[in-house]
Amino acid sequence: SQKIEQNSEALNIQEGKTATLTCNYTNYSPAYLQWYRQDPGRGPVFLLLIRENEKEKRKERLKVTFDTTLKQSLFHITASQPADSATYLCALESGGSQGNLIFGKGTKLSVKP
Amino acid sequence: DSGVTQTPKHLITATGQRVTLRCSPRSGDLSVYWYQQSLDQGLQFLIQYYNGEERAKGNILERFSAQQFPDLHSELNLSSLELGDSALYFCASSVEGLTRGAFDTQYFGPGTRLTVL
Repeated sequence: SQKIEQNSEALNIQEGKTATLTCNYTNYSPAYLQWYRQDPGRGPVFLLLIRENEKEKRKERLKVTFDTTLKQSLFHITASQPADSATYLCALESGGSQGNLIFGKGTKLSVKP
Repeated sequence: DSGVTQTPKHLITATGQRVTLRCSPRSGDLSVYWYQQSLDQGLQFLIQYYNGEERAKGNILERFSAQQFPDLHSELNLSSLELGDSALYFCASSVEGLTRGAFDTQYFGPGTRLTVL
């Protein structure tokens, strides 16, 4: 079955630095991969999607890469701010059903001023 | 605000009981998804409905069931509750969610926190 891993439970960085979060998956070749942000006690919020034929996607200070050979996605936040502190989840589409997602357990990012 | 509403926000009940969680999708969205989030398991897909019909099942226990009504709101029924069912339950909606490889943004509600004592 598909397996998705975010190999850091927590990441602490200094304000202004670039945060890099990693998402690895196995046993599957998803058509796309997504990143979500989740604040404590709230629902996930969609940030970015990258398709299997795209190497990189950017949105403001966010950048996502997708390496289908390594089965890995990297999520970067440049010029990080304390307001970026949250848990970031990666998700890939389930191969078995339409539109359904498998989520990683998330990486909790803390940006210190 | 995602436009997805869930009630109640918090629910405390005892083992063996039955509860119903309610979700209203964003206006115009036809697909509703239910997820369970616990500390050790992360966010787990339970079930999807599209326009009133069950579309896909994930890791949903037999003690759990769901339905989507003609007005597109959905209810998740949890019965014979166990301590391990304590979790956050999220509902999400999307316009369609029909075709593999075609992406519809999923909008998540604020969740219902279920505590089973």
